[in-house]
Amino acid sequence: SYELTQPPSVSVSPGQTANITCSGDALPKQYGYWYRQKPGQAPVMIIYKDNERSSGVPERFSGSSSGTIVTLTISRVQAEDEADYYCQSADITGTYLVFGGGTRLTVL
Amino acid sequence: EVQLVESGGGLVKPGGSLRLSCAASGFAFSHVWMSWVRQAPGKGLEWVGRIKSKTDGETTHHAAPVKGRFTISREDSKSTLYLHMNSLKTEDTAVYYCATDGGFFDYWGQGILVTVSP
Repeated sequence: SYELTQPPSVSVSPGQTANITCSGDALPKQYGYWYRQKPGQAPVMIIYKDNERSSGVPERFSGSSSGTIVTLTISRVQAEDEADYYCQSADITGTYLVFGGGTRLTVL
Repeated sequence: EVQLVESGGGLVKPGGSLRLSCAASGFAFSHVWMSWVRQAPGKGLEWVGRIKSKTDGETTHHAAPVKGRFTISREDSKSTLYLHMNSLKTEDTAVYYCATDGGFFDYWGQGILVTVSP
């Protein structure tokens, strides 16, 4: 079955930039989406169609795509950005949806 | 305001059955594809399956781990989505979310816990 691969964890100091990658063979053909999840809460979509910010999401959050990798970039990281981040996409046919394993962002 | 409210969770023994419901409001439910997503304790998100709108044939697709055991259905007259779960296994223990599905998930319910344990 189709898989998306993310690093399990990323750590950055406040004010620095965090990059979270997500790789999958179908990403050149299918959009990537990013969700943020804080403990005890439902996920919230923050980036759609590779690089579009959802309403209300700060400009510090951006997305990009290159080949089989989509990347979530968080500039000027703040303590409140500490959360789990998940990428999501579809298989090459668009029939089956899939999440990456998730990346825990730790703000040092 | 879009609202999705899951219900029907609880404790069930392995091999048992359970039906989850998701009551939708604030949008034209009948026109929208819907999905179920689950999250085992301390684990990541896992897509369970989707159902298309009636206009698109109410076609369903289920992820491999649940295919043949779980069935998604909808009742547009009640703006309600269902997840029928049979032959439950301990590994099905998770918080189950319903979500609107446009190939992505822009609206989510608050989630409902299903525990499968002897």
